[in-house]
Amino acid sequence: AQTVTQSQPEMSVQEAETVTLSCTYDTSENNYYLFWYKQPPSRQMILVIRQEAYKQQNATENRFSVNFQKAAKSFSLKISDSQLGDTAMYFCAFMKRQNYGGSQGNLIFGKGTKLSVKP
Amino acid sequence: GAVVSQHPSRVICKSGTSVKIECRSLDFQATTMFWYRQFPKQSLMLMATSNEGSKATYEQGVEKDKFLINHASLTLSTLTVTSAHPEDSSFYICSAREESTDTQYFGPGTRLTVL
Repeated sequence: AQTVTQSQPEMSVQEAETVTLSCTYDTSENNYYLFWYKQPPSRQMILVIRQEAYKQQNATENRFSVNFQKAAKSFSLKISDSQLGDTAMYFCAFMKRQNYGGSQGNLIFGKGTKLSVKP
Repeated sequence: GAVVSQHPSRVICKSGTSVKIECRSLDFQATTMFWYRQFPKQSLMLMATSNEGSKATYEQGVEKDKFLINHASLTLSTLTVTSAHPEDSSFYICSAREESTDTQYFGPGTRLTVL
């Protein structure tokens, strides 16, 4: 069974600084996706970034980037130029991909990291 | 794009009544939708996978007769909590799978309070 571990329950960062959230996972699969979702106080889950395991290039979305280390099963999220609106719970998630291109679709979530951006 | 709505956002009901929650994908079709439950300060717990035109698949420990799921169209799934009790009070979140990117997009959630 797949597991996702987020070892940092809480983190804080000063506005405009950079912060890295860690995520490790355990799987015997070779084809899968990894995601970071954020959940602000509104509780709306928002997709931050998506990585396909077969792609070596790290995904980036504006101020958000990942460091995907497949051999180490590590998928950290870096937030640059942190903004007050980045304050949220951040969840790392794993999803197995079936060989023919579809997927079972089940997301396996970590327990989350609560990030506070301080002015 | 990839917007999912959920209605109602908040509901308070009496013990023993049934409550229906709707989940709609607004700008894409979703063969597969998911229902989660989230307890305070915890991660999301998958309750069931909703497949359009077929029966839902429930996770272990989730009572299918209590949490009725219907996915009658490619843009709508409903979760009905039957004979609700105070222990069913929780935050329920749905998601819809966008097939071209194999990515789940989430609704804003429903806060259910059973008195």
